[in-house]
Amino acid sequence: QQPVQSPQAVILREGEDAVINCSSSKALYSVHWYRQKHGEAPVFLMILLKGGEQKGHEKISASFNEKKQQSSLYLTASQLSYSGTYFCGTEWGSGNTGKLIFGQGTTLQVKP
Amino acid sequence: EAGVTQFPSHSVIEKGQTVTLRCDPISGHDNLYWYRRVMGKEIKFLLHFVKESKQDESGMPNNRFLAERTGGTYSTLKVQPAELEDSGVYFCASSPMGDTEAFFGQGTRLTVV
Repeated sequence: QQPVQSPQAVILREGEDAVINCSSSKALYSVHWYRQKHGEAPVFLMILLKGGEQKGHEKISASFNEKKQQSSLYLTASQLSYSGTYFCGTEWGSGNTGKLIFGQGTTLQVKP
Repeated sequence: EAGVTQFPSHSVIEKGQTVTLRCDPISGHDNLYWYRRVMGKEIKFLLHFVKESKQDESGMPNNRFLAERTGGTYSTLKVQPAELEDSGVYFCASSPMGDTEAFFGQGTRLTVV
């Protein structure tokens, strides 16, 4: 069962904030966040492991709620370069195989 | 350092024909993964190589798909014969042993007409 991402799409103005959620019906081992721009390779953003702490760099951070089996990606003071499709990839159970089950993606558009 | 490279970037073939996709992982990466994204849907796992061995091929749709990784370097994914529903973007990703941060290629867009 694939994880569910919400929202499916979001449109922002430059400087606004956004939150993208990734929920799983199965116990998560890790959550990997990627961003893909049209026609390009998905780019790794960060990984959160079960029991790990919140991570982030610059204005993009993420958290992992074990109780809810959910991860959230926080985009602060969005820039035009943040536009793209964001995917969460999940590992279940004991994990550490690298096999990712992806959500359906969240399309983010940042306008000037 | 070169990233994950996939060939061709686009392929348009007729139903019933054969197509072979190629992936060159990052040098030294033992893990190699194939994924597929059908239009508008999620990126779906196909299979996982560790060096030249198939670790997990649970995502392969059917026996029309054959993946190989001879010598543990580059990998090929052959579709024979291709069907309309095989259309989509095929991604390859690689990672070093013991590390699950995977680097993706730009994908091969396959269109079966």
